Amino acid sequence: GAVVSQHPSWVICKSGTSVKIECRSLDFQATTMFWYRQFPKQSLMLMATSNEGSKATYEQGVEKDKFLINHASLTLSTLTVTSAHPEDSSFYICSASWEGQGGTDTQYFGPGTRLTVL
Amino acid sequence: SQQGEEDPQALSIQEGENATMNCSYKTSINNLQWYRQNSGRGLVHLILIRSNEREKHSGRLRVTLDTSKKSSSLLITASRAADTASYFCVPGRSQGNLIFGKGTKLSVKP
Repeated sequence: GAVVSQHPSWVICKSGTSVKIECRSLDFQATTMFWYRQFPKQSLMLMATSNEGSKATYEQGVEKDKFLINHASLTLSTLTVTSAHPEDSSFYICSASWEGQGGTDTQYFGPGTRLTVL
Repeated sequence: SQQGEEDPQALSIQEGENATMNCSYKTSINNLQWYRQNSGRGLVHLILIRSNEREKHSGRLRVTLDTSKKSSSLLITASRAADTASYFCVPGRSQGNLIFGKGTKLSVKP
């Protein structure tokens, strides 16, 4: 159980275009979803936290107008990289968790999406 | 949430040997989790140990927690080439975001 999927698994796009990444919890309802970014040989950096039906909370230094997050349902969150540039090329990973885990932080991670901006 | 610090940063062993990774943190916690990330892939949750537990097992994994020393260890017994990955510890208090450190990069040679 607790499976999270991401789509697409990889995407190559031209500079200036927008890219949407989907994150789905397949067998549970995720009250909270998280978006992380990971550059090569570095650890994960949290970008934003989103709760279903409310605006996402962005980490310091993350442009909310560039990285649009929508958490429209309990099983789906989307991250849209607007006007992508080569420096946005990275590995984007989402995770999901739900209430009622007994106060734990366990998050279940998607397989990641590798974005390459040419 | 706070960041855990894994040690060593890199570990190279032969298949069949045991691998031990350590984690230290700074403030009190409710639980501590270990995750694994294979190169270029997503993270896999390995095990969660609560603050009132001292040791926990899951298959070939053994996790210890010493809250007095604010440290944890992850032992992988009889390692396999497929265990090659980066391992992260994440100390936690309650629902919220997780903060990942640099991890321990484990390389198991066949």
